[in-house]
Amino acid sequence: AQSVAQPEDQVNVAEGNPLTVKCTYSVSGNPYLFWYVQYPNRGLQFLLKYITGDNLVKGSYGFEAEFNKSQTSFHLKKPSALVSDSALYFCAVPGYSTLTFGKGTMLLVSP
Amino acid sequence: DTAVSQTPKYLVTQMGNDKSIKCEQNLGHDTMYWYKQDSKKFLKIMFSYNNKELIINETVPNRFSPKSPDKAHLNLHINSLELGDSAVYFCASSPSTSEPSYNEQFFGPGTRLTVL
Repeated sequence: AQSVAQPEDQVNVAEGNPLTVKCTYSVSGNPYLFWYVQYPNRGLQFLLKYITGDNLVKGSYGFEAEFNKSQTSFHLKKPSALVSDSALYFCAVPGYSTLTFGKGTMLLVSP
Repeated sequence: DTAVSQTPKYLVTQMGNDKSIKCEQNLGHDTMYWYKQDSKKFLKIMFSYNNKELIINETVPNRFSPKSPDKAHLNLHINSLELGDSAVYFCASSPSTSEPSYNEQFFGPGTRLTVL
């Protein structure tokens, strides 16, 4: 079965510093991988996805993610964090007509 | 605005009642979904529909019955509500289904159900 794991419940970073939110995957075949963000009391918003091609994927709001096949990872990154980036981040892997999500990582950016 | 919308946003009800949550998308998508987010924020697929046909039913009690009157709507009816049904329910849609799907899903704002 396809799965993703997010090892951190929470990531704390100061505004202006780079951030990384970790995700590892277990997928048979070539993986498709997604990142979504959930702001408080809101639905999920798509950030970016890896389908094929460049290992560095650029997405919304200045986020990017690096696909690493040897480490089976797809970490979310941003060079300079904003307080407004504070939210819950989900890594996900698609199956047939579904998405399987990681448990989520709360990102807290302090001023 | 093009979006996935859900009504109501909040639903507070007593155990044993029957309630419905409505979902509509005006994105022209073929596939719609219901997800449940529990108190620990864990998200799990409940159902998916493609062109009004049920595709996925993930070990959900049969008290939950989805209904898709047309491609743009997927409603969720819940009978005999229990305390454990308290959660946030998200509707989503995507352009099409494939195996596996590389299309991102678009989520509604969620319905917070509280069962007393």
